[in-house]
Order: sequence, then structure tokens, then C-alpha cells
Amino acid sequence: GAVVSQHPSWVICKSGTSVKIECRSLDFQATTMFWYRQFPKQSLMLMATSNEGSKATYEQGVEKDKFLINHASLTLSTLTVTSAHPEDSSFYICSARPRTWGQFFGPGTRLTVL
Amino acid sequence: QQQVKQSPQSLIVQKGGISIINCAYENTAFDYFPWYQQFPGKGPALLIAIRPDVSEKKEGRFTISFNKSAKQFSLHIMDSQPGDSATYFCAAQNTGNQFYFGTGTSLTVIP
Repeated sequence: GAVVSQHPSWVICKSGTSVKIECRSLDFQATTMFWYRQFPKQSLMLMATSNEGSKATYEQGVEKDKFLINHASLTLSTLTVTSAHPEDSSFYICSARPRTWGQFFGPGTRLTVL
Repeated sequence: QQQVKQSPQSLIVQKGGISIINCAYENTAFDYFPWYQQFPGKGPALLIAIRPDVSEKKEGRFTISFNKSAKQFSLHIMDSQPGDSATYFCAAQNTGNQFYFGTGTSLTVIP
């Protein structure tokens, strides 16, 4: 149980295009989903927290117009990187929190912007 | 301010040895302490977790020791294997839905 999927697992895009990443909790309902960014050999950096049906809460320094988050249902959240640039290249990881304790992570999405 | 402090940053252990990673916290509102294992290019996977009402939890070769008064908890990996080589993150969660990660420990187990 407690499986979280992410799609795509990797994506390469041209500078200026937008990329959408999906995060799904497969066998539980997630009251809250989180989006993280991770640079090589570093810890996870929380970007935003989203609750189903409400606007996401962004961490300080994260551009909400750049990183659009939609939490459409209790099992799906999407992160759209708008007008991507090479500096947006990173490993993006989502996680989902069930109604009980814990937080379960997706396998991550490697984004490369050329 | 780092809510959860983790050490060491990196650790090298011989196969069969014991790997020990330590974490400390200040906020007494934390009441759930998980450990995650992350392999390169993969998302973190929940390894083992503990609530503060117990002092130790063991699952196979992995043990969490928890010291509530000292506000410290540690992960012990017994009989460490090369396949355990990964980055390990401790974390702490409070009732307010806030979740904080340690900075991570890169473990290398030498055959």
C-alpha cells in the first residue's frame, strides 16, 4: 500500500515551453500533496503544499506563476513548469499524505531544459 | 533554521558492520519520526518510522532508537550490505501537518 506514482519519469524540453508533471496516489486518498525539488547530492527542497480543492501554498522564493500547481482530486496533483528555462532543470519529486500519519513519495521526474 | 539536524553528512562502513546515523530536533510538537532511503535518480522510500511513545523500533536489520528527553533519534543498520549504499534522510512531522527533513547522509558500504 501507500504507492505514489509520477508521470513522466523524465522529460526533455526546449527553453520557453511548458511541462506538466502528474502525481497520483494509487491506493489511498491524499488530503495533502507536496512538491519538492532536489539538486544533486542535496536534500529535498519543499516548493509548495497543496490541499485538494484549494490553492497551493508556496514556500518563500518559489514563483507561483512559474510553478503552477493544481490539486484536482484527492488522488491527483499536477505541477506545471511554465516557460521553462535551463535553470529549471532539476529532479522534481511529489509526495502525498494520507489521512493518517506519514508522507509517501513518488519516484521523481527528471526535467532537462535545453 | 534547520528544524532537524542530521549527522554525519557521509559515512563509509565495511560490509557486515553497523551504520549509525543521528538526528536531533528542537520542536517538541513533532510526534512522528520517519527515515527515508533514497537511491540515485529515485524518490525517497519510507524505510522505518517511530512515534515518541516508544524508545526503539526494529524492522529486520533496521532499528530506530528514540530518546525523547534528549530530542534525538538514530537509525542503526546492522550487518550493513553494499546494497544499503544510498542516501538516508531523517524527518519529523508535527500535528500541524508540517514535515521537516534532515540534510541527508550518504552511506557507502564497502564490500
